Amino acid sequence: DAKTTQPPSMDCAEGRAANLPCNHSTISGNEYVYWYRQIHSQGPQYIIHGLKNNETNEMASLIITEDRKSSTLILPHATLRDTAVYYCIVRPASGNTPLVFGKGTRLSVIA
Amino acid sequence: DTGVSQNPRHKITKRGQNVTFRCDPISEHNRLYWYRQTLGQGPEFLTYFQNEAQLEKSRLLSDRFSAERPKGSFSTLEIQRTEQGDSAMYLCASSLSTGKAYGYTFGSGTRLTVV
Repeated sequence: DAKTTQPPSMDCAEGRAANLPCNHSTISGNEYVYWYRQIHSQGPQYIIHGLKNNETNEMASLIITEDRKSSTLILPHATLRDTAVYYCIVRPASGNTPLVFGKGTRLSVIA
Repeated sequence: DTGVSQNPRHKITKRGQNVTFRCDPISEHNRLYWYRQTLGQGPEFLTYFQNEAQLEKSRLLSDRFSAERPKGSFSTLEIQRTEQGDSAMYLCASSLSTGKAYGYTFGSGTRLTVV
C-alpha cells in the first residue's frame, strides 16, 4: 500500500513554479523519497529522489522537511509539457522493495 | 541505449484467448519489473526478476499470469484465458540492483483490450 498522501490535482500557470506537496508521516529512517511523473500514454519517468537533504537536478528540486514527514517537488518554471501525473513514493534504501505507486497528483499547466 | 522497449504497443484480443507481451530492458540492468495500470490509477506491481530469477510476485498475479526471463535479458508476460478485467496498460521497467536508491526506467507499455 502507498505510504504517501498527495492532493489529487493542481493547476499551475505556465512559467510559474509548480510546488507539489507530499505527506509521508510514517517514513522510516532508511527510506528514500522518490518522485516520478507520467505523461499521458507514456510510462512513468524518474524525476528525483532524496533521503534527508534537499536535492536539485536539471528537472526539479526536492525539499524534504527536517522531520522528513513531508516533502515538496518544485518545478521552477513549469511548461505545458510538464502537464502530467506526479507520484511521490517512499522506498527503503536497500532497493529490494518494488516501487509502490499511489494515485499521484494530476498537475495541469495552463497557458 | 535505446531505453526499455515493449511490444506490442497495443493488443486487442477476444475473451478467453491467450496473449503474450515482451519487454526488452536496458542491457546493463539486471532487474526487470512488470506493472499493470488501469484508468485513473497508479501502476500496480505484478512481479520482478533479478537476472533470470523471479524474486517476488504480487497477489494480483493470478495463476492465469506467468512471467519469464529465461536468460536474464528480455522478459515475457503471458496471460491465459483473458478476461475483460485484464484490460489495462502493462508496463515494464528495469533497474540496477547495486548501488543505492537507483531509479527505474519504464517502457511505454502495452495496452491490452479484451473484448
